[in-house]
Formats: sequence, C-alpha cells, structure tokens
Amino acid sequence: DAGVIQSPRHEVTEMGQEVTLRCKPISGHNSLFWYRQTMMRGLELLIYFNNNVPIDDSGMPEDRFSAKMPNASFSTLKIQPSEPRDSAVYFCASSIRQGGGYTFGSGTRLTVV
Amino acid sequence: GENVEQHPSTLSVQEGDSAVIKCTYSDSASNYFPWYKQELGKGPQLIIDIRSNVGEKKDQRIAVTLNKTAKHFSLHITETQPEDSAVYFCAASIGGNTPLVFGKGTRLSVIA
Repeated sequence: DAGVIQSPRHEVTEMGQEVTLRCKPISGHNSLFWYRQTMMRGLELLIYFNNNVPIDDSGMPEDRFSAKMPNASFSTLKIQPSEPRDSAVYFCASSIRQGGGYTFGSGTRLTVV
Repeated sequence: GENVEQHPSTLSVQEGDSAVIKCTYSDSASNYFPWYKQELGKGPQLIIDIRSNVGEKKDQRIAVTLNKTAKHFSLHITETQPEDSAVYFCAASIGGNTPLVFGKGTRLSVIA
C-alpha cells in the first residue's frame, strides 16, 4: 500500500490566489481528516469525513476554506482567496474506523507570499 | 471538548538514557490514547497506542502507561538512540465519531 498520498508536497502562491490541496486516503479507510500544523498552534483539526460525508467542519478557520470528498478515494481542501497567515503544513490522514489510529500523509507545505 | 496538555516541549537526553514524555487529558470519557513520532519533513507516524482497559503496553524499547484516575498517560523510551530524535505527539479520543485531539508535541534530541 502506498499510504496516504498528498499533493503537491510544496506550494508557493501569491496572496489572493486560489489553492487546492489534494489527498488520496488508504483504500478501505472510511474516515478522512484534514489537519493544519504550525509552530504556534500545533496540529489543528480542520474538518473530517466519515464515509465521504463531512461530519464536523468547525475547525475550518474561515469561509475562505472549503473541503470536499466526492468519493472514497479522493478529497480536496481549497483556500480561496489565500492569505499569508494560511502558510502552514497541511496534513491529510485516514483511518479504518473512528476511534482508531490514523495514517498521515507526508503533508503539503503551503507558503503564501 | 477534550483538551490535551503535553510536557515537556523539548527534551534532550544522552544516548542510552531513558526519555519520558507526559500528557494529561480533560475528558474522562476518553478511551483511546495513541502516540505519534514525526521526523523532519514527514507526517506523524503512529508508534504505539493504548486503550482505557489496560494500564501499560510495551513494544521493544517503547512503553506507554495510563492512569485513568489521574487522567494522564506517559511515553517511555529506554536505551535511546540518535534515530529516536524527532517530535513526539500524544493524542486522546473518546471514540465513536469524535476525532483525535493532539498535544502540542515534544521535541526529543538524543545526543550521541
């Protein structure tokens, strides 16, 4: 198994541009999570899905952030418009069930200039 | 909601010594406590976990202990090696449809 696959690994964009981060969970995992990691705030949960359905998006910082999971093998996190304070590492993780261990992807390092 | 506190934020030990990282949680309903290791440029990786029906679990040089009464759990690494240097995160969950809540992390440096 290739694990959780995220793309791109690095993204540098200008303020105001749209950014789309992509995630392919492990086949058979039915929960998917998007986290943001910064030095100041650590790992913050943004949103999670069970069986492709968004369950809790209360961690999404603003309306500029949106996430979708159109099928069991793909999810996107979109930021529009992006701002410098969105600069962080964004991780996607999946698990075979809620309440179990997560498998994290390698993350996307986003820099907004 | 659940709140997880982790200490210390940084820890330096000599190679061969033991390292201990401690976490406390707030929600007495939490029943799953994993530990993750994050190496530079990589995502966190699950290294060991414990559920509330046991008090201790070991896997080679790594052990985790849980005190449900005091609501704290700890990671113990014995005979540390330079490759143990990384950031370690604890987490807690009440299970069901509630996701993991992570501590802020501990940066462990093992000095050769």
